[in-house]
Amino acid sequence: DSGVTQTPKHLITATGQRVTLRCSPRSGDLSVYWYQQSLDQGLQFLIQYYNGEERAKGNILERFSAQQFPDLHSELNLSSLELGDSALYFCASSVGISDRGDEQFFGPGTRLTVL
Amino acid sequence: AQSVTQPDIHITVSEGASLELRCNYSYGATPYLFWYVQSPGQGLQLLLKYFSGDTLVQGIKGFEAEFKRSQSSFNLRKPSVHWSDAAEYFCAVGAFNDYKLSFGAGTTVTVRA
Repeated sequence: DSGVTQTPKHLITATGQRVTLRCSPRSGDLSVYWYQQSLDQGLQFLIQYYNGEERAKGNILERFSAQQFPDLHSELNLSSLELGDSALYFCASSVGISDRGDEQFFGPGTRLTVL
Repeated sequence: AQSVTQPDIHITVSEGASLELRCNYSYGATPYLFWYVQSPGQGLQLLLKYFSGDTLVQGIKGFEAEFKRSQSSFNLRKPSVHWSDAAEYFCAVGAFNDYKLSFGAGTTVTVRA
């Protein structure tokens, strides 16, 4: 158990819908990262927050957005869902901002299925 | 931009045999390197990491990896594989002032009895 929790574990929804994925980092970690794992794209970095502020952005679609709240939990919002958004979404956390190689601890993931 | 290549998509190894998983990276400066393991239906667990110093790194579950700058490689090894080592293994690279991890495509390891 990494100490990172993600809810829900599974999510099944229809195209065009909007969903919210939630992540609670390890106690004491200030950074939260979101990754998408799909069969065709592999593991892709989406976005990072540090202490409530966005710090880095990867291959995140405009239909996707995230935020980190004062209690440091984070939510990833996916809207206007398409079949291709079906994937495993991981949240990770680290102590700092990983510019010095802090290791990232991964949650169990949320499996999103878009029908 | 940094990138990671794992040349082997799938490796089958007998229980008790040795295992080596290859990882090559591309990055201009000294990278930070990681190996993660993902068991079916699970998240990613860190096996080991290299930041600096000794190029032979010991990790959990009896794994080790060697950083070879001249070959831009960070291969993962285990002398004697157990059936529980069947999983997918990911090499990842990070760097100073670059917050994301870039992952390789992964290598699936099957252990046969």
